[in-house]
Amino acid sequence: DIQMTQSPSSLSASVGDRVTITCRASQNINNYLNWYQQKPGKAPKLLIFAASSLQSGVPSRFSASGSGTDFSLTISSLQPEDFATYYCQQSYSSRTFGQGTQVEVK
Amino acid sequence: QVHLQESGPGLVKPSETLSLTCTVSGGSITTYYWSWIRQPAGKGLEYIGRIYISGSTNYNPSLKSRVTMSLDTSKTQFSLNLSSVTAADTAVYYCARERVGVAGNWHFDVWGRGSLVTVSS
Repeated sequence: DIQMTQSPSSLSASVGDRVTITCRASQNINNYLNWYQQKPGKAPKLLIFAASSLQSGVPSRFSASGSGTDFSLTISSLQPEDFATYYCQQSYSSRTFGQGTQVEVK
Repeated sequence: QVHLQESGPGLVKPSETLSLTCTVSGGSITTYYWSWIRQPAGKGLEYIGRIYISGSTNYNPSLKSRVTMSLDTSKTQFSLNLSSVTAADTAVYYCARERVGVAGNWHFDVWGRGSLVTVSS
């Protein structure tokens, strides 16, 4: 099984901050990596697919990069609606999600 | 736009079979893969498996022995059966559409709102 490890598990930030979340795969997954945002009581929402492609309708302040085993998601200027939990997910072999990163208000 | 809605019992007894249905509206069920994902309260997401119109399925190896999925094109629904449930199967169950994008990358682009299933006697 491919394990996905996110860091940090949680972070505190303020509106306007630049936030970066990292995700590491236990083996090479090329660019088969997606990012989701989940708010309490809601279903996850796709933000980024194929490691760096922005899903339609997602604000451009979200960006992502990486390939192989190391990936990152960046929010360039955190907005009030961005406080949520973020998950990475690999689709190289079966499907596995990271444990999540909760972005909280500082 | 495509909309997914889960339905099924909210309470299942231990050792019995959990059964959920996802109804697809606003789009065709004959393309894409259709998936189930679950999330225990306060925890992360776990992939259960997926089904295609051909009947082809892929299941999470850790759940494979207990999972069965089916698809009914006439009702534009797909279903999940999880047998021999225990309290550890208590979770919010999501149905989702999985599509393939650039260079063969698969991703879940449409999700249902989720259905809470509690396993308890």
